[in-house]
Amino acid sequence: GAVVSQHPSRVICKSGTSVKIECRSLDFQATTMFWYRQFPKKSLMLMATSNEGSKATYEQGVEKDKFLINHASLTLSTLTVTSAHPEDSSFYICSASRETDNEQFFGPGTRLTVL
Amino acid sequence: QKEVEQNSGPLSVPEGAIASLNCTYSDRGSQSFFWYRQYSGKSPELIMFIYSNGDKEDGRFTAQLNKASQYVSLLIRDSQPSDSATYLCAVSGSARQLTFGSGTQLTVLP
Repeated sequence: GAVVSQHPSRVICKSGTSVKIECRSLDFQATTMFWYRQFPKKSLMLMATSNEGSKATYEQGVEKDKFLINHASLTLSTLTVTSAHPEDSSFYICSASRETDNEQFFGPGTRLTVL
Repeated sequence: QKEVEQNSGPLSVPEGAIASLNCTYSDRGSQSFFWYRQYSGKSPELIMFIYSNGDKEDGRFTAQLNKASQYVSLLIRDSQPSDSATYLCAVSGSARQLTFGSGTQLTVLP
């Protein structure tokens, strides 16, 4: 139980285009979803926290107009990287948590490469 | 600014030995403490969590928490080459947000 999927697993795009990443909780209702970014040989950095039906809370230094987060249902959250640039190339990981416990269940991650 | 500090390593131990991983945190209000393992190119996978002072054992893994010293550790007994990975310490408070350490790279030598 508690499986989280992400799609796509890998994406390559041209500079200036937008990319949407989906995060789904497959067998539970995720009241809260989190989006992280990880650069090579660095740790996970929290980008934003989203609760179903409300606006995401972004961490300091994360541009909310560039990284659009939608949490429209209890099983789906999306992250859209708008007007992507090479410096946005990174490993994006989502996680989801249930209302009943503290544990976060991580998706497999999405490798974004912007050319 | 909440901080979680780990020795970046790399840490090398021979197969069958005990690997000891350490983590300190700055926020005294932290409530939950997690150890994750991350293989290269993969997302983190939870090894175990601990909430209360003392030790918690799960198979070959033992987590130790000392809130007074703001210190949490992970011991891996009978280390195996498959344990070679980066180990991430993470801490959360009432908001459930995780703050990760930079990770310790562990290599278990056959």
